[in-house]
Amino acid sequence: QSVLTQPPSASGTPGQRVTISCSGSSSNIGSNTVNWYQQLPGTAPKLLIYSSYQRPSGVPDRFSGSKSGTSASLAISGLQSEDEAVYHCAAWDDSLNAPVFGGGTKLTVL
Amino acid sequence: QVQLQQWGAGLLKPSETLSLTCAAYGGFFTGYYWTWIRQSPGKGLEWIGAIDHGGNTRHNPSLKSRLTISIDTSKNQFSLNLASVTAADTAVYYCGRGNIPDYWGQGTLVTVSS
Repeated sequence: QSVLTQPPSASGTPGQRVTISCSGSSSNIGSNTVNWYQQLPGTAPKLLIYSSYQRPSGVPDRFSGSKSGTSASLAISGLQSEDEAVYHCAAWDDSLNAPVFGGGTKLTVL
Repeated sequence: QVQLQQWGAGLLKPSETLSLTCAAYGGFFTGYYWTWIRQSPGKGLEWIGAIDHGGNTRHNPSLKSRLTISIDTSKNQFSLNLASVTAADTAVYYCGRGNIPDYWGQGTLVTVSS
């Protein structure tokens, strides 16, 4: 069981906006920043959002991150078929002194 | 451009030792923790442990007794050894830069089967 909680699945139609949530606690999301990763089938996770809100160079601005209290969210606007992937959230946990991850959310583009 | 390339044996028998190495190309090798993470089939990501340039290590408590993480700064490489593997250790193993990685290796599928 993962320390951070994500919905196992999400879906949307092309052009739609979808959000994926990540719920934690005061020792992780509540006191540290959040990273989001996109994992396409058979590939390694790719950094999508870091420091809760920042996009690495090359990541489209359709992807955005937010954080409030002990929860974080990833929003994808203008959904495209190539966005179909598993999305993971991660944060440092001060109590465990280790990084913790969500279980991943499989996004399906209908 | 930072690239991580990893290698190691992909098929092990129970009780053998898993050994993987990761090489970092581009960017600085100092100033970071270098991390190992695994992903069991159909499951989420699990942090294994990490090491910094000075050899300071952090380990997942559930694996600590079987785990050795080492670093060779002369080659910009770091390694993972996990002893006494069982079927539960079957997973894709990733190396990464940083405690919560920004760059990842390509992954190595390690299967433990008799």
